[in-house]
Amino acid sequence: DAGVTQSPTHLIKTRGQQVTLRCSPKSGHDTVSWYQQALGQGPQFIFQYYEEEERQRGNFPDRFSGHQFPNYSSELNVNALLLGDSALYLCASSLDWDSYEQYFGPGTRLTVT
Amino acid sequence: DAKTTQPTSMDCAEGRAANLPCNHSTISGNEYVYWYRQIHSQGPQYIIHGLKNNETNEMASLIITEDRKSSTLILPHATLRDTAVYYCIVTVDSWGKLQFGAGTQVVVTP
Repeated sequence: DAGVTQSPTHLIKTRGQQVTLRCSPKSGHDTVSWYQQALGQGPQFIFQYYEEEERQRGNFPDRFSGHQFPNYSSELNVNALLLGDSALYLCASSLDWDSYEQYFGPGTRLTVT
Repeated sequence: DAKTTQPTSMDCAEGRAANLPCNHSTISGNEYVYWYRQIHSQGPQYIIHGLKNNETNEMASLIITEDRKSSTLILPHATLRDTAVYYCIVTVDSWGKLQFGAGTQVVVTP
């Protein structure tokens, strides 16, 4: 049973560019959450997708957007990249939208230069 | 904002029990305590959770004080693979939104 997978593993972008990160949830999970983890800090909640809709959002600007597909996979898009967007982006999946027992992927390391 | 306080770091000898404290003095009656850990270069991993009773699973035990203002995660026989950052999280009616703090860096030494 495959766990949560994310792609790509690493990514280098230039300030002002746009980036798309992808996530496939654990089999049987229908909820996907995205977190940003800056170096040396704990993960910070970006948003959550359930039934192809954004259900909750953390304190992130509109430059951060997402999408969930009918197969429950998800994308995170970041526009107009800033140097401060450099971080590890983690995807987590769960059985229900209100579940705190979440399974995390290995993350995508984004570097903005 | 995280509602928990944890020590920044702690060391533990391999084979010994590791006792990780967490203070959550403002916890409400319906809020759970969750523990996750993050091994270097990996995503966080769920360990255990509890409301008011002590809990045990194959990974760890969770002891919650009677007043629920603090808890302790116990790794009964620490191994080198338990070296990680451990996060104590209180579920603040946030419907599945995990609010991570800085966590405790645990280093298990031979």
